[in-house]
Amino acid sequence: AQTVTQSQPEMSVQEAETVTLSCTYDTSENNYYLFWYKQPPSRQMILVIRQEAYKQQNATENRFSVNFQKAAKSFSLKISDSQLGDTAMYFCAFMKLNYTGANSKLTFGKGITLSVRP
Amino acid sequence: SAVISQKPSRDICQRGTSLTIQCQVDSQVTMMFWYRQQPGQSLTLIATANQGSEATYESGFVIDKFPISRPNLTFSTLTVSNMSPEDSSIYLCSVDGPNRDTQYFGPGTRLTVL
Repeated sequence: AQTVTQSQPEMSVQEAETVTLSCTYDTSENNYYLFWYKQPPSRQMILVIRQEAYKQQNATENRFSVNFQKAAKSFSLKISDSQLGDTAMYFCAFMKLNYTGANSKLTFGKGITLSVRP
Repeated sequence: SAVISQKPSRDICQRGTSLTIQCQVDSQVTMMFWYRQQPGQSLTLIATANQGSEATYESGFVIDKFPISRPNLTFSTLTVSNMSPEDSSIYLCSVDGPNRDTQYFGPGTRLTVL
């Protein structure tokens, strides 16, 4: 079974600054996907970024980038130039790579509440 | 990504009643998933719904309490039966991406049971 750990319950950052959210995971799988999802007060779960474990290059999406350390089983999210709209709960999630057509279940961490201060 | 809608967006229900939540997708998808998010908590998978077969439930969730239908490739329902205040949660549906390597979520249904 997989586990995802987000040990920081909340963080705060000044607008325009950079913040890093931590995530570690545990799995015996070699091929999998990792995700960061954002959940603002509207409660919609929004995909922020995705990383394939077989890729060494860290994923980036505009102001969002990850630091993926496969050996250390670490997957942190860096948000650059923080904006007020980044205020939300952020969840780290794991999904096993699915060759057989069986369901691709997501395992979530507990989440971290990020507040961006004006 | 797929556009996913859920109905109702929120509801307040009495103990002992049942509520059916609908999830509609704008394109055909293989797998649909139902998650529960209890207040202040993370998401927990309830079950996976594949069209034309029985839903697969996770440990701790049973069909009598959470019956699921999946009549076609764009629609699913989750019923929360014989509700108690402990069922107060956000219920979210999600769907597989086209390459089955991502999941996209609906807007969620906020359920309060009195």
